[in-house]
Amino acid sequence: ETGVTQTPRHLVMGMTNKKSLKCEQHLGHNAMYWYKQSAKKPLELMFVYSLEERVENNSVPSRFSPECPNSSHLFLHLHTLQPEDSALYLCASSLGTGGSEQYFGPGTRLTVT
Amino acid sequence: GQSLEQPSEVTAVEGAIVQINCTYQTSGFYGLSWYQQHDGGAPTFLSYNALDGLEETGRFSSFLSRSDSYGYLLLQELQMKDSASYFCAGTSGTYKYIFGTGTRLKVLA
Repeated sequence: ETGVTQTPRHLVMGMTNKKSLKCEQHLGHNAMYWYKQSAKKPLELMFVYSLEERVENNSVPSRFSPECPNSSHLFLHLHTLQPEDSALYLCASSLGTGGSEQYFGPGTRLTVT
Repeated sequence: GQSLEQPSEVTAVEGAIVQINCTYQTSGFYGLSWYQQHDGGAPTFLSYNALDGLEETGRFSSFLSRSDSYGYLLLQELQMKDSASYFCAGTSGTYKYIFGTGTRLKVLA
């Protein structure tokens, strides 16, 4: 158990569906992150929240919509996705910023059909 | 642009020493972290170099040279369980993490 949980672990959705990914951290951290991991590509930072405020948005398409209702929970709302959005979506948290150790969840394997 | 380059694959035998290199091009560079990821698993933190030099944590050591824009992860006394992917990650701002291309390490018996 890493202290960061993600649900669901696997998700298959059509291009017209709307779904949400959930992340929860039990570590008392104040920063949370969404990453996308595609085959043969580096992890891509998508969004960063610090103290429930979005502080980083790396030019992510609007079909991905993050939400951070409190410091322990992070959501990624998905709608009208494309097949190229199929990937592993990882949530992470950290106590501080900069080079602080990030704790990752197990990820959600998303397949868009 | 900002990027961190790593060799795609490294192979070594059990008990050996292996070095995984990371060269970077990023502005406002703060430091270099290393993560391990087993197939199907989450990345786990190994080390962080905020300053030049060597950091040692058990069998793993990490090195950073800012003047050369270069770092490496050194794994000693390799074990089969060390077979995994290893990523370097640079921080170039308070929340700007950029991960390297990743190196797949295969440890042979």
